[in-house]
Amino acid sequence: AAGVIQSPRHLIKEKRETATLKCYPIPRHDTVYWYQQGPGQDPQFLISFYEKMQSDKGSIPDRFSAQQFSDYHSELNMSSLELGDSALYFCASRTYTGTASYEQYFGPGTRLTVT
Amino acid sequence: AQKITQTQPGMFVQEKEAVTLDCTYDTSDQSYGLFWYKQPSSGEMIFLIYQGSYDEQNATEGRYSLNFQKARKSANLVISASQLGDSAMYFCAYSGGSNYKLTFGKGTLLTVNP
Repeated sequence: AAGVIQSPRHLIKEKRETATLKCYPIPRHDTVYWYQQGPGQDPQFLISFYEKMQSDKGSIPDRFSAQQFSDYHSELNMSSLELGDSALYFCASRTYTGTASYEQYFGPGTRLTVT
Repeated sequence: AQKITQTQPGMFVQEKEAVTLDCTYDTSDQSYGLFWYKQPSSGEMIFLIYQGSYDEQNATEGRYSLNFQKARKSANLVISASQLGDSAMYFCAYSGGSNYKLTFGKGTLLTVNP
């Protein structure tokens, strides 16, 4: 079965640079979530999109922005990178259609290292 | 806001024994879901088991079962017949409200000894 795809899997950037992370949800999934997991931490919700509209926002810095495109893939744009942005970034997808389950399907994550 | 509590930062278990990982939650939502994820050192988030708040029976998936006690707001994960490959971080997570975003506990690091 198709899974959530994230690219790149690993990314190394320097301070003050920008980074773009991409997420391709499972086909026919209409909702995408982004989570950030710092070293030794639990994942924290950043932002979510439903049908290409932002549906909720968590602890996402103003330096970050995200959007969901017409093909439902999503991109997380991060500017003025700081050392503290080094983390594992997960994308997850789900669908509201025809399901009573709350289950989200996670991608493999993008490991961002800021030097 | 929902709160998920995992009180065991680390747990040790002997291979082939059963182990219970604790999870409690605090919510005023009527409908919600509870999840357990496994995160090995490689980093991927592996879905293990799910329990809906209206499910009358405890969820089971192979060696994993969820001991759901709604009145006590607990959702403990039971792993039977532990294997060396079960050594990993385990996260309990809550999903509820209108957006279904996940709120995670701090995790429990399980080590299975031979």
